[in-house]
Amino acid sequence: AQSVTQPDIHITVSEGASLELRCNYSYGATPYLFWYVQSPGQGLQLLLKYFSGDTLVQGIKGFEAEFKRSQSSFNLRKPSVHWSDAAEYFCAVVPMIYNQGGKLIFGQGTELSVKP
Amino acid sequence: DADVTQTPRNRITKTGKRIMLECSQTKGHDRMYWYRQDPGLGLRLIYYSFDVKDINKGEISDGYSVSRQAQAKFSLSLESAIPNQTALYFCATSDPGGSGGSGETQYFGPGTRLLVL
Repeated sequence: AQSVTQPDIHITVSEGASLELRCNYSYGATPYLFWYVQSPGQGLQLLLKYFSGDTLVQGIKGFEAEFKRSQSSFNLRKPSVHWSDAAEYFCAVVPMIYNQGGKLIFGQGTELSVKP
Repeated sequence: DADVTQTPRNRITKTGKRIMLECSQTKGHDRMYWYRQDPGLGLRLIYYSFDVKDINKGEISDGYSVSRQAQAKFSLSLESAIPNQTALYFCATSDPGGSGGSGETQYFGPGTRLLVL
């Protein structure tokens, strides 16, 4: 079945450590790819997006993500995590098989905890 | 002021009651969406509207209805609420006029937390 998978439900990292959150999708054509962050009690904020071109994309708050077609992955990274990064992170795709677009499909989310 | 607003932010209701969640946007976007978020399931699409005259069912529309009163307003109704509709509900908008994939970028409201007893 076509889907978006975030294999890690919960990750804990120490403040200052590097971070990588995984995302895989199972659509045939390259979809549009997004990462959103949800801080406690807040809505979803767009971190970054990939449509085409350079496979390494930069986002807000020091995040970046790399699209790897061969692995159907779009992993989110940050070189040094801050305590304020503790939140839930969602990978999402718009499959290009839908001519109308607009069907944003979400992964299950990864909750990030940051240790002092 | 927030571009996408949702009212109420929190709501407690009883089984069988009809309730309405409202969404307003000042972004001027034609497309609007309703999602629900459940722990471990991410967000799932309930309904979406590409313009005032266009309403489409999403992945989990059973038990819900919507109304697009204007370009800026999109309401979600639970005709007869049941406990498994307890969830966090999000409204989102997008602008199809964006080039390439920009038209697919969705902007979310702060959410409405609904508890059905």
